[in-house]
Amino acid sequence: DAGITQSPRYKITETGRQVTLMCHQTWSHSYMFWYRQDLGHGLRLIYYSAAADITDKGEVPDGYVVSRSKTENFPLTLESATRSQTSVYFCASRDRDTEAFFGQGTRLTVV
Amino acid sequence: AQSVTQLDSHVSVSEGTPVLLRCNYSSSYSPSLFWYVQHPNKGLQLLLKYTSAATLVKGINGFEAEFKKSETSFHLTKPSAHMSDAAEYFCVVSDLRGGADGLTFGKGTHLIIQP
Repeated sequence: DAGITQSPRYKITETGRQVTLMCHQTWSHSYMFWYRQDLGHGLRLIYYSAAADITDKGEVPDGYVVSRSKTENFPLTLESATRSQTSVYFCASRDRDTEAFFGQGTRLTVV
Repeated sequence: AQSVTQLDSHVSVSEGTPVLLRCNYSSSYSPSLFWYVQHPNKGLQLLLKYTSAATLVKGINGFEAEFKKSETSFHLTKPSAHMSDAAEYFCVVSDLRGGADGLTFGKGTHLIIQP
């Protein structure tokens, strides 16, 4: 099916563990993004990618790592999870000057 | 740099009455503007977009928005609210010519529909 999918949808992990959130899109969009959504903050950009092997920091990148070896995949890794990274994470993709398409989100809880 | 201000964090209207969600933006270039809706525990869905064509933009579910450059506004309206419109609404500005840093979101407006 065409679209953008995130996995897992829900994740509980312990402080200090490494966690990877997956994002896959089927449109071959150039741009991909990771946002986190927290009450009172709206959506904040963590990292983005303009093409395969090109990534850059957004507004809140600390504690996160991304890679983009293939156009369709853009995984987000929390190297050592902290409670402050408890959030809902959204992946999105777009081409230049078009709207963004969002995944359904991953709800991450760090205990 | 670009920014978006949604002027109301919460808006409450009665079913069947008009909806107005206000959004002001700033951008160094000619921006693209979007409204997204997010229902509880769901992803974001595009309502409508402005990309330098007609200034009055019609979207899904009876929503529309007017781009006013002189006022740097992009307010979202609907003539008659339905219960199913209850959701979070985000105004978004995009200007890739200002740097490929994606979309800038407003903080959202929570729309409450009273029966």
